[in-house]
Amino acid sequence: SYVLTQPPSVSVAPGKTARITCGGNNIGSKSIHWYQQKPGQAPVLVIYHDSDRPSGIPERLSGSNSGNTATLTISRVEAGDEGDYYCQVWDTSSDPPYVFGSGTKVTVL
Amino acid sequence: EVQLVESGGGLVQPGGSLRLSCAASGFTFSSFWMHWVRQAPGKGLVWVSRINSDGSSTTYADSVKGRFTISRDNAKNTLYLQMNSLRAEDTAVYYCARKLDPMDSWGQGTLVSVSS
Repeated sequence: SYVLTQPPSVSVAPGKTARITCGGNNIGSKSIHWYQQKPGQAPVLVIYHDSDRPSGIPERLSGSNSGNTATLTISRVEAGDEGDYYCQVWDTSSDPPYVFGSGTKVTVL
Repeated sequence: EVQLVESGGGLVQPGGSLRLSCAASGFTFSSFWMHWVRQAPGKGLVWVSRINSDGSSTTYADSVKGRFTISRDNAKNTLYLQMNSLRAEDTAVYYCARKLDPMDSWGQGTLVSVSS
């Protein structure tokens, strides 16, 4: 099965930039999605197809994907950005076809 | 507004059964593929199963294959997950999610606890 690797945690000061990576073999050839999950809440889609934002998601969140690493960037970090972030891929050649990364906990200092 | 509301979770003994439901509203349910995704306490998200829009095609993770059955009733705008032969490792919050890819809307989840 396809494996997505994320760092367990990222800490960032308010107003700074947080970068959350998602590693995978030739991940740049795949379409990556990112979900934010706050404590006790359901996941929310924040980036899809590498870099598109659903309506209502602030422009401070952006995504990129190339080579073996996809990245979610949160600019001008706010306290409300705290939570867990998961990358996800749909790989029709993989079993299971839907794979999530292990998640990264973002802490705002 | 898209709404997905799960129900049916609870405490069940190992080897027991539960049926989860996901009531959908605010969109044309019969047009969308649907998923079940679970999250064990303190752990990450794990995809469980998916079903196509008319219910004719289903896919499962190996960990639940042969024990869980996903189904839907488009007339009732409801998604189901029949869970049999439950194990302790099935303990998790179960979410339903909409759309083939990406999963663009999620319910609030229902907790399934498998313990004696």
